Amino acid sequence: ETAVFQTPNYHVTQVGNEVSFNCKQTLGHDTMYWYKQDSKKLLKIMFSYNNKQLIVNETVPRRFSPQSSDKAHLNLRIKSVEPEDSAVYLCASSYVDQDTQYFGPGTRLLVL
Amino acid sequence: GQQVQQSPSSLVLQEGENAELQCNFSSTATQLQWFYQSPGGSLVSLLSNPSGTKHTGRLTSTTVTKERRSSLHISSSQTTDSGTYLCAIASGGSNYKLTFGKGTLLTVTP
Repeated sequence: ETAVFQTPNYHVTQVGNEVSFNCKQTLGHDTMYWYKQDSKKLLKIMFSYNNKQLIVNETVPRRFSPQSSDKAHLNLRIKSVEPEDSAVYLCASSYVDQDTQYFGPGTRLLVL
Repeated sequence: GQQVQQSPSSLVLQEGENAELQCNFSSTATQLQWFYQSPGGSLVSLLSNPSGTKHTGRLTSTTVTKERRSSLHISSSQTTDSGTYLCAIASGGSNYKLTFGKGTLLTVTP
C-alpha cells in the first residue's frame, strides 16, 4: 500500500534549467527525508525535516533547496541543474527520529 | 563518519536455497534497517533490528551490536526475492540520518 507519493516519476531536462519534485505522505509522520541514489545505486541522505524544521542538511550544492509547507509535504527544488544531478531522488518519512522509514517510489531525473 | 559494508555484493541461488547476507558497520548503531529494492527501484523496509534477532515470514535478522555486524537470512528463496538488499544504519543524536551500504544483488533462478 503506497503511502509516500512522489511526482513526477520521471523528468528529463537540460543543463541550467530549474526543476521541482513533490513528496507527500499520508502516514501522519512528523519527519520526512530526501535521499539521492546515484548511478552506482548508492543511497545518500540529503535533507531531513521534523515538523517543518530542517534537522539534517548534508553537504549538498546550494542549488538544492527543500521546501516544506506542512509536516505531510516536503518538496525539493533544484536551481540550474547540472549533469551530475542525474539520479533517482527518493523521499521517505517516519514517525519520529530513529523509527522505521517508509520510502516513496522515487523520481528519476535525467539532465542532458 | 559511519561506514557500512555489505557482502557479498551479488549472490545467485536456485529457488528453494537459503541466502545469508552480511552487513558490517564502523561505529555504534542506534538504528539498523534492512531494505529490499525491487528491480523497478521501489524501496521497501523489511526489518528494523538494532540488536538481537527478529523474524518476519521467511526473513531472520541477527544483529550483534558490540561486534558491529548484522545478518539477514532468507529461507527457501523464491524467484520473487530477486532484487537488491540494502542495510542502513543510524548513529543517533539530533543529526539523525541513515547511512546505506551498497547492497547485495540477489538473483534467484527457477
